[in-house]
Amino acid sequence: TQLLEQSPQFLSIQEGENLTVYCNSSSVFSSLQWYRQEPGEGPVLLVTVVTGGEVKKLKRLTFQFGDARKDSSLHITAAQPGDTGLYLCADGGYNKLIFGAGTRLAVHP
Amino acid sequence: NAGVTQTPKFRVLKTGQSMTLLCAQDMNHEYMYWYRQDPGMGLRLIHYSVGEGTTAKGEVPDGYNVSRLKKQNFLLGLESAAPSQTSVYFCASTPGSYEQYFGPGTRLTVT
Repeated sequence: TQLLEQSPQFLSIQEGENLTVYCNSSSVFSSLQWYRQEPGEGPVLLVTVVTGGEVKKLKRLTFQFGDARKDSSLHITAAQPGDTGLYLCADGGYNKLIFGAGTRLAVHP
Repeated sequence: NAGVTQTPKFRVLKTGQSMTLLCAQDMNHEYMYWYRQDPGMGLRLIHYSVGEGTTAKGEVPDGYNVSRLKKQNFLLGLESAAPSQTSVYFCASTPGSYEQYFGPGTRLTVT
């Protein structure tokens, strides 16, 4: 059974700081997805990466996929209070998602 | 276009009671899913459906049943609720691409 480990579990920072969160898998990802979940809402897809070594940027968010396709990182530059939420990584094999436990981020003004 | 909706939003049950959670999507998606989310454990797949009239077990199916009689609806049933089923339940759908679209969740407490 594939296991996805996300670190850190919790992160509390001030507005304007940079941060990086990580997702590691016990086996090779089929495809890697990052979701953000705000309190009281369902997860919303941020990005999908498929190719080892791939880097994608979404405004202040940078997603990297490891060459061996077993790890990924999400870097946020100049965090804002609107970035607060639970960041989940997921492996999207054959239309079934396996999720990590998430990193809970709080950005304080 | 409402996307994915879930009914009810909140529910409190006593141990042994039964209930049905309704998920509806208006995007004509083939695939639908039920997850539960517990603190520190991410989302875990309960059951899923790859099309009208089909269902399959996910990672944690015990104590739950599902039905997909219409393409747009996916029902999750608890026949005899247990405190271990206290959780937040999310429904999701996808046309078959990578992205899954999630509903707002149902918070269930079993006492």
